[in-house]
Amino acid sequence: AQKVTQAQTEISVVEKEDVTLDCVYETRDTTYYLFWYKQPPSGELVFLIRRNSFDEQNEISGRYSWNFQKSTSSFNFTITASQVVDSAVYFCALSGPGFSGGYNKLIFGAGTRLAVHP
Amino acid sequence: NAGVTQTPKFRILKIGQSMTLQCTQDMNHNYMYWYRQDPGMGLKLIYYSVGAGITDKGEVPNGYNVSRSTTEDFPLRLELAAPSQTSVYFCASSPRGPYEQYFGPGTRLTVT
Repeated sequence: AQKVTQAQTEISVVEKEDVTLDCVYETRDTTYYLFWYKQPPSGELVFLIRRNSFDEQNEISGRYSWNFQKSTSSFNFTITASQVVDSAVYFCALSGPGFSGGYNKLIFGAGTRLAVHP
Repeated sequence: NAGVTQTPKFRILKIGQSMTLQCTQDMNHNYMYWYRQDPGMGLKLIYYSVGAGITDKGEVPNGYNVSRSTTEDFPLRLELAAPSQTSVYFCASSPRGPYEQYFGPGTRLTVT
């Protein structure tokens, strides 16, 4: 079965702290894609990153970085020097060819609510 | 480009009423989707479409219907609304292939 687990329901940090959001996935597919989305208090979903299963290089984009480890089926997201504007719900999602309809169906985790306090 | 637009933003329905949630995208994407998001939960796929005239069920299709007569539009129909359909509904679109989906702003629906 395909599944995404975000065990951290809520995280609270003080501004400038680093914070890591965990994502663990399950899939039988050898080719699959992983995504992170941000949902700020305004409610829309904002795409952050897509990763395919053959690319295990870590990625850094400004204060954001992602650590993909196939050995532990994890795709963790770290925010360095957090800011109040980072307060949001963050979703990890999985897509793979084993899903009926192909790659385009996303399986979402339950999300992690991050609160960054001044 | 407006991206993905949804109307209405908010709606309150009485049990048994019907309504249509509208979704339009102007990015010429083949694929479109409807999700629902219940409080404290991730998104669950209701229906999706891979092109005009082609639709298929997602994880939670019961109580909903869709149609796709054009590339741009993908309306979601609720027949005989039930309290269990109280949720936030998101429409999304994507190009063909394993690409990210672009989401609309959502419709908050309450059934009482």
